[in-house]
Amino acid sequence: AQSVTQPDIHITVSEGASLELRCNYSYGATPYLFWYVQSPGQGLQLLLKYFSGDTLVQGIKGFEAEFKRSQSSFNLRKPSVHWSDAAEYFCAVDYNAGNMLTFGGGTRLMVKP
Amino acid sequence: NAGVTQTPKFQVLKTGQSMTLQCAQDMNHNSMYWYRQDPGMGLRLIYYSASEGTTDKGEVPNGYNVSRLNKREFSLRLESAAPSQTSVYFCASSEWTDQETQYFGPGTRLLVL
Repeated sequence: AQSVTQPDIHITVSEGASLELRCNYSYGATPYLFWYVQSPGQGLQLLLKYFSGDTLVQGIKGFEAEFKRSQSSFNLRKPSVHWSDAAEYFCAVDYNAGNMLTFGGGTRLMVKP
Repeated sequence: NAGVTQTPKFQVLKTGQSMTLQCAQDMNHNSMYWYRQDPGMGLRLIYYSASEGTTDKGEVPNGYNVSRLNKREFSLRLESAAPSQTSVYFCASSEWTDQETQYFGPGTRLLVL
């Protein structure tokens, strides 16, 4: 079965520190890849997406993600975390280019002052 | 533009009761989706509608029905609620020409006693 794995359920970082959230997917071909963020009590907002081309993609709020085919990974990064980045982050994959997303379990980010 | 709106925001049901969750979008999108979110499981697709007049099952359709009332509205019905349907429900919409970006509503929190 197709799956998306976010190995870290919770991550705590200090404000100003760098961040990397991991995402691995299962499949042979290159799917479409997404990162969404969910603030408490809110819906999901798209941070960035990858379809093809340059494997390093830039998103909103200073986030970027890198697609690594050999590792079936699409990790999210930010050089310097702000307190307002505290939220839950979801990696999602469209395996069939049919606009149907499979989501990972999410990573909850906490930011220490 | 309001984007994607959902009503109600919160609902408590007794086992066996029925209810309909409403979703509307004002972005003229063709595709609409219903997800449920449970801790540690990310979002799982219940049903989707690729265009007005069509609906299809997602990953977890049992116990639910949907209606695509028109291009704007997509409702989710629980005919006989069960405690296992306690969850947060999200509606989303997307457009074929927008590289599969899904826009999410704020969610409906449902508690079944």
